Amino acid sequence: DARVTQTPRDKVTEMGQEVTMRCQPILGHNTVFWYRQTMMQGLELLAYFRNRAPLDDSGMPKDRFSAEMPDATLATLKIQPSEPRDSAVYFCASGLGVHEQYFGPGTRLTVT
Amino acid sequence: EDQVTQSPEALRLQEGESSSLNCSYTVSGLRGLFWYRQDPGKGPEFLFTLYSAGEEKEKERLKATLTKKESFLHITAPKPEDSATYLCAVSNTGNQFYFGTGTSLTVIP
Repeated sequence: DARVTQTPRDKVTEMGQEVTMRCQPILGHNTVFWYRQTMMQGLELLAYFRNRAPLDDSGMPKDRFSAEMPDATLATLKIQPSEPRDSAVYFCASGLGVHEQYFGPGTRLTVT
Repeated sequence: EDQVTQSPEALRLQEGESSSLNCSYTVSGLRGLFWYRQDPGKGPEFLFTLYSAGEEKEKERLKATLTKKESFLHITAPKPEDSATYLCAVSNTGNQFYFGTGTSLTVIP
């Protein structure tokens, strides 16, 4: 049963610290997405990649967020420095193209 | 500006009581409209993609339809296990995605 995996599942950190979230997409999927979900804003697309190349990162605060795909089996989302307003659940999703996405379980980030 | 609006925000149904969820959208060049289901503490689960007005798709008790301005998710004879938040999203010709805030469905036995 192929699934998207994300680590860590929960992260509590202090303001100003660097946070790295990791995602392993489903083997064979060529498109990887990063989303952020909060009660106030709902689900927001931060960035996505096709064949490891960034296609759209317009939803991502560029001054503190960065997303990369070092290889086809790993996607990372970094926040440096973190702020309390970054507290949210971050989801990774993968798919063959953009129209059917399979989501991971999420990383719950709390910045104090 | 592209946007997605879902209604109602919350819906309580008796088991077996059919109803519909609404997703209204404004998008500059629709590429696709998507429905997802999200259970508490989990990531969204893909249900359907619709591409053009008039298209319909079905899966068990769920049926999604699409017009030029909105989509409906019809739930026929729901069961308690259908309780979840249902999310609608659209993609545009610029490869951007927009999710609605969802409809929280509770089906009471």
